[in-house]
Amino acid sequence: GESVGLHLPTLSVQEGDNSIINCAYSNSASDYFIWYKQESGKGPQFIIDIRSNMDKRQGQRVTVLLNKTVKHLSLQIAATQPGDSAVYFCAEKSGGSNYKLTFGKGTLLTVNP
Amino acid sequence: DAGVIQSPRHEVTEMGQEVTLRCKPISGHNSLFWYRQTMMRGLELLIYFNNNVPIDDSGMPEDRFSAKMPNASFSTLKIQPSEPRDSAVYFCASSWTGRNTEAFFGQGTRLTVV
Repeated sequence: GESVGLHLPTLSVQEGDNSIINCAYSNSASDYFIWYKQESGKGPQFIIDIRSNMDKRQGQRVTVLLNKTVKHLSLQIAATQPGDSAVYFCAEKSGGSNYKLTFGKGTLLTVNP
Repeated sequence: DAGVIQSPRHEVTEMGQEVTLRCKPISGHNSLFWYRQTMMRGLELLIYFNNNVPIDDSGMPEDRFSAKMPNASFSTLKIQPSEPRDSAVYFCASSWTGRNTEAFFGQGTRLTVV
C-alpha cells in the first residue's frame, strides 16, 4: 500500500534573500521555544530561543518572533546563504514541564545559488 | 567539549537481534534524552533521565525497548528483539535541568533492521 509520511513544508529561496519560516504551536501553556536546524545526516543544532515573556529576539542573521495570541512562532533568516539549507524545527517546552520539548514537523529550506 | 557522542553512527541488524545504542552526554549536563526520528512520526521523545534517574519513559514504544544510565557520563538504549519497524535515526541529547535550557543533540545512530 501507499506509505504516508510527514510531508514537510518546503521553502525555496534565492541566495541573498530573506527567509521566513513559520511554526504553529499547540500548547498555550508553553513558555519556552527553540528553533533548531538539522542538516542532512546530522543531529538538530540549536539556533535561537525565546521565552514567552518576550515577543522578539535577535541573533546573528536570525530573528525569532513569538505571537502568543495566535500561538505562532517564526524564524527570519537575513541574507540567506547556501549553508542555511536544512530542515528547521520549532520546539516548545510546556509550562508544566522543565524538560519536555515537543518538536514540530519541520520545514525544509532550500537556498538556490 | 566534544559535544554529545553517540555510537555507533550506523547499525544494520537482522530482525530478532539485540541492538544497543550508546551515548556520552556533555560533561556536567544532568539531563539526558533519547529521541527517535522517522519520516512518519518526526522527532519523538522516548525517555528522559535526570541525575541518572529515569523520570519519564512514557514515549518508549513497548517492552522491547529499555534504557539505562549507570552514571552521569553514559547511557544505553537497547532494543531486544529488534523489528524492521524500529528502523529509524535515534538521537541522544543532553542539557542542564531547567525551564529555559536547550538540549544539545548528538549526531545520531541510523538503525536499519532487515
